[in-house]
Amino acid sequence: KAGVTQTPRYLIKTRGQQVTLSCSPISGHRSVSWYQQTPGQGLQFLFEYFSETQRNKGNFPGRFSGRQFSNSRSEMNVSTLELGDSALYLCASSFGGSSTDTQYFGPGTRLTVL
Amino acid sequence: GDSVTQMEGPVTLSEEAFLTINCTYTATGYPSLFWYVQYPGEGLQLLLKATKADDKGSNKGFEATYRKETTSFHLEKGSVQVSDSAVYFCALSDLGANSKLTFGKGITLSVRP
Repeated sequence: KAGVTQTPRYLIKTRGQQVTLSCSPISGHRSVSWYQQTPGQGLQFLFEYFSETQRNKGNFPGRFSGRQFSNSRSEMNVSTLELGDSALYLCASSFGGSSTDTQYFGPGTRLTVL
Repeated sequence: GDSVTQMEGPVTLSEEAFLTINCTYTATGYPSLFWYVQYPGEGLQLLLKATKADDKGSNKGFEATYRKETTSFHLEKGSVQVSDSAVYFCALSDLGANSKLTFGKGITLSVRP
């Protein structure tokens, strides 16, 4: 079974631009979560989608948004990029989206904002 | 709110040494507990998990026991290998929080031959 895939793997943008990251979960998984990883703040939860509905949202500004499609694929968008948005963005999927489920992570998208 | 505290790192050990990485948590409900590992340039991989008190998770020689009385989930391995060098994250997912994982800061383990 294929794992979680994320595209692109690397992105370089400039301040003020916007970016869209994509995540394809493991086949059959209905829950997709997004995390931001930085050296200073560690791993922080962005949001979670289940069956196209956002169920949970972390403490990030409204510039960060996401959506999930009917095939469970998910995208996250960051508008008006800031230098501090440079990070590794990780996507994770799980089958049922419960607190006991194992989440499987993709390799991440490395975003650099210049 | 929920939080996870891991011991400060980094940790450097010789091959075949005993490993303990401490992890304590604060949660409002009944969390599930996880250890994830991250190798350089990769995403996170689940190492082991426990979903209720007194459960022991184990995988690849690593073990951790869910201790509700001490709110801890310490990771142990009897004999580490060079290939265990990675960053280790303790995490929790609280009942009612769906899939949201709250992570500790992670600790870098380096194992010398």
